This record gives sequence, C-alpha cells and structure tokens, in this order.
Amino acid sequence: GESVGLHLPTLSVQEGDNSIINCAYSNSASDYFIWYKQESGKGPQFIIDIRSNMDKRQGQRVTVLLNKTVKHLSLQIAATQPGDSAVYFCAENRGQGNLIFGKGTKLSVKP
Amino acid sequence: DTGVSQNPRHKITKRGQNVTFRCDPISEHNRLYWYRQTLGQGPEFLTYFQNEAQLEKSRLLSDRFSAERPKGSFSTLEIQRTEQGDSAMYLCASSGTGLPSATDTQYFGPGTRLTVL
Repeated sequence: GESVGLHLPTLSVQEGDNSIINCAYSNSASDYFIWYKQESGKGPQFIIDIRSNMDKRQGQRVTVLLNKTVKHLSLQIAATQPGDSAVYFCAENRGQGNLIFGKGTKLSVKP
Repeated sequence: DTGVSQNPRHKITKRGQNVTFRCDPISEHNRLYWYRQTLGQGPEFLTYFQNEAQLEKSRLLSDRFSAERPKGSFSTLEIQRTEQGDSAMYLCASSGTGLPSATDTQYFGPGTRLTVL
C-alpha cells in the first residue's frame, strides 16, 4: 500500500541539542516531500521541502535529508529551542491536491 | 495579515444541525484545498479547487458534505445533518499562482474546530 508514516510518536530533547525527526514512505514514485510544523490550536506551518532529485536541503536551522534507497526522510533541527516544541508532520505531494500526511511526531524541548 | 483565514475558529453544534465554514485563501493563489484533522492524526485530504472548479474529491467527502468556490476566491464547506463523528478540525490551504505543479507548496489556515454534541 501507499503510506507516509513516522517512526516515533514523541521526541524529547534538551534545549540547545539537535533534534532528528524521521519519516518513512512506501511509494517509490513519490517526487516531492514537505515538512510541516503544527503548534497546538494552529494550522500546519510549512518548514521545508525537498524533491526526489535531491538528497539534502538546508534552511534556517533545519535540514531535510532524503534517502530514496530506503524510502526515508528526516528533519534535523539544530540548536533546538523551546519555540520548536510542536507536532511535526512529513507530507507527500502527489500532484494536484492530494497531500498525504503521516501521523506526526510530537517534539518537546526541555529547558 | 495576508495568510489563509478561516471562520469561525470554533463551532459547537447539536447532532443533526447544518454547519458552514468559510475559507479565504491567500489572495493571489488559484488553488484551494480542504482537509480534516482528528485528534492525534495528520490532516486528511477532502477536496480541491482550481479557481472555481472542484477538481478532486476524497471518498471521505460523503453526500452530507458540499464545498463551493463560486467566484474562485473564498470557499465554503457545508456539512448537513452533522454527526458526532464529524467532530474534527477542518483545515483550508491554498497554493499556486500559475499552472498546477507537483511542487506546489500549500499554506494552511488556522482551521475551524467543530464539536458535534
């Protein structure tokens, strides 16, 4: 079947440490992936995206890695801050409108 | 604020009543999407508009659900004869200023939280 899922439902890190959130997908034809951050009571907020012709993409304090061989992508957050506490979703864009989201990983940052 | 806006933010209704939600997309975007999100889950796609045309509907969109985007700008999502299982966050997103692309970035609104008693 086709799915986008996450390895861990929760992740707790110390402030200042790096965070790594993982995501697995099963559709080898998937071409485009997006990471969203969702804070409590708010809609998902775009963080970073990556196309399948790339292995790595960097933003401000965030890096997304894509491993097409094992159909895995990860989101790395450098120097995690309390404001990074949220649920993080990976999503697969399948064309016109069908974004497929995983369940999400809840990131908690300890001061 | 030039982001996606949704109204109302919260709606409490009794089972069997009809409800309508509104979404105003980012002004220059021509594509608009509706998603539903239940507690602890990721958003699930419901339907999608390219300008005023509804191009795709999920099997989740039962006959009780109807969405419109009459002038290609704002959209409404109506749920008739609400059921307790309809309780969820209803999210709207918008994207795109040109032709559809597999790399369209969808920008989400804050959502409307529906509670059906």
